Amino acid sequence: AQTVTQSQPEMSVQEAETVTLSCTYDTSESNYYLFWYKQPPSRQMILVIRQEAYKQQNATENRFSVNFQKAAKSFSLKISDSQLGDTAMYFCAFMKAFGNEKLTFGTGTRLTIIP
Amino acid sequence: NAGVTQTPKFRILKIGQSMTLQCAQDMNHNYMYWYRQDPGMGLKLIYYSVGAGITDKGEVPNGYNVSRSTTEDFPLRLELAAPSQTSVYFCASSYSGTTTNTGELFFGEGSRLTVL
Repeated sequence: AQTVTQSQPEMSVQEAETVTLSCTYDTSESNYYLFWYKQPPSRQMILVIRQEAYKQQNATENRFSVNFQKAAKSFSLKISDSQLGDTAMYFCAFMKAFGNEKLTFGTGTRLTIIP
Repeated sequence: NAGVTQTPKFRILKIGQSMTLQCAQDMNHNYMYWYRQDPGMGLKLIYYSVGAGITDKGEVPNGYNVSRSTTEDFPLRLELAAPSQTSVYFCASSYSGTTTNTGELFFGEGSRLTVL
């Protein structure tokens, strides 16, 4: 079974600064996907960024980027030039690449952007 | 664009009552899921479905039932509600095909259920 660990329950950062959220996972699979999902106070979960394990290049989406270290089983999210709208719960998630398409979530990091 | 629609958004139940949480998606996704989210915890998978007529248990299926008679709908039934089922419930859907598989789930807005 897979496990996903987020060791930072809460973080806060000043607006316009850069913040990094940590995530580690444990799996015996070689092909999988990793995700960061954002859950704003309105509660609907939305995808922030996605990484395929077979790709060495780190995924980027505008101000969001990841540091994927496959050997260390680490998948951190970096938010650059943070904005007030980035305030949310952030969940790291794992999915096997083939088979049951089920996500395993971490416990989340509550990020607050301070004006 | 409706996406994934859940109803109701809020509900209070008494112990022992039953209810059904409705979920519908209009994206022609084959996979559908029910998760629950407890305070300070990540989402836990209750049940999922890979297509109409096919359902399977997730991590925490006890006390729940599902059905998938159509591609669009995936209702979650709570029988004999218990305080331990107080939670926020999320329905999600995704598409997985032979040539298309992003692994991305699309979520509904959630249903907050309180059992007293």
